[in-house]
Amino acid sequence: RKEVEQDPGPFNVPEGATVAFNCTYSNSASQSFFWYRQDCRKEPKLLMSVYSSGNEDGRFTAQLNRASQYISLLIRDSKLSDSATYLCVVPTRGGTSYGKLTFGQGTILTVHP
Amino acid sequence: GAGVSQSPSNKVTEKGKDVELRCDPISGHTALYWYRQSLGQGLEFLIYFQGNSAPDKSGLPSDRFSAERTGGSVSTLTIQRTQQEDSAVYLCASSFVGHGSSYEQYFGPGTRLTVT
Repeated sequence: RKEVEQDPGPFNVPEGATVAFNCTYSNSASQSFFWYRQDCRKEPKLLMSVYSSGNEDGRFTAQLNRASQYISLLIRDSKLSDSATYLCVVPTRGGTSYGKLTFGQGTILTVHP
Repeated sequence: GAGVSQSPSNKVTEKGKDVELRCDPISGHTALYWYRQSLGQGLEFLIYFQGNSAPDKSGLPSDRFSAERTGGSVSTLTIQRTQQEDSAVYLCASSFVGHGSSYEQYFGPGTRLTVT
């Protein structure tokens, strides 16, 4: 299994829709997880951190399933401004990797009118 | 507060020339990372500095690439004898790594390098 694996999409949804992305990871010892968003030609920005079973911030909900080693991101009531690439991020496994993170390839979301 | 800053924002250079890219991390962050991202691709890890430990250079693609971090703060990524395949956006990130920290990384705006 890859360290971090995401469905690349693209996901094309209308405004107001609910959309969910899944991410699987291989490092069973991971304690913290992150979702970043990256707009076109911009740097990644932290969207949410997940330390326990999940986290909710407004329209965004992240859930963690440790047994199955996956994290999900749910976006409710999608806005045009949610169009971006969403990156799943987990701690890197092994060696002198303390503090390093492994980034998934990203899931592309396009919200249309 | 001030975020991660990088300079220059854009750099166009001729094949074979050397370039230096600079990163100023967030004050107090102990860890600094360099990544590169080619058009339409994911983040490629290059190098990682954490405190006074030896840097993790496992991601550097060739010996033309090197980086240093002076005084535990500012970092410079140097690419010698640039090649066209070096063209990419070079991103720097910093984080606080220590007891009880959660390792979120904060990115600078990147340096867009074009080798002609």
